[in-house]
Amino acid sequence: GAVVSQHPSWVICKSGTSVKIECRSLDFQATTMFWYRQFPKQSLMLMATSNEGSKATYEQGVEKDKFLINHASLTLSTLTVTSAHPEDSSFYICSATAGGRVRYNEQFFGPGTRLTVL
Amino acid sequence: AQTVTQSQPEMSVQEAETVTLSCTYDTSESDYYLFWYKQPPSRQMILVIRQEAYKQQNATENRFSVNFQKAAKSFSLKISDSQLGDAAMYFCAYRPNYGGSQGNLIFGKGTKLSVKP
Repeated sequence: GAVVSQHPSWVICKSGTSVKIECRSLDFQATTMFWYRQFPKQSLMLMATSNEGSKATYEQGVEKDKFLINHASLTLSTLTVTSAHPEDSSFYICSATAGGRVRYNEQFFGPGTRLTVL
Repeated sequence: AQTVTQSQPEMSVQEAETVTLSCTYDTSESDYYLFWYKQPPSRQMILVIRQEAYKQQNATENRFSVNFQKAAKSFSLKISDSQLGDAAMYFCAYRPNYGGSQGNLIFGKGTKLSVKP
């Protein structure tokens, strides 16, 4: 099956710093990548959708200047949390779909990144 | 707006027994997909089973099967012969099909399944 990796798996940072999370499709080209946020004991909430080479589409209520998404290649998307604050502490999950498949485009999920902002 | 509702925050089942997790959804679309995902303590999302709305036959994957009632907008998951490894959070998800484009997944709030030995 298709594999998606995330790096780092966990990160602790000080309030006010920026953190970059990488999402990579290891054995397929991902035309679309999704970024989700999951608070403890809650469901996944979609933050944004990114297509390779174009600007990300953010969900309502998600600050695009705070959560910068770059999908520069067909195998890499990055999420940068700028000026992180404790309320940004969460579990961030990316997923990717491979272009070219008919009708059903399965989303392959990364293992997630736990962000703790002190 | 499209929504997914899981009315059971927690469920428990005895090992080797059968359990059914409920899911309802709301949509005005006629063409869509429904999914059940499993999230174990590792938090890696694992696809358990999917159902295409235009298919009347219920999907099955080994011990996992669904009861898809399109008119009632209901999509329950049945786990037979429950195993300890089935203990996890289970999320029901919906995705519209826009001519094969990558529609967004909409998740329910999840059901935490415990399996008793």
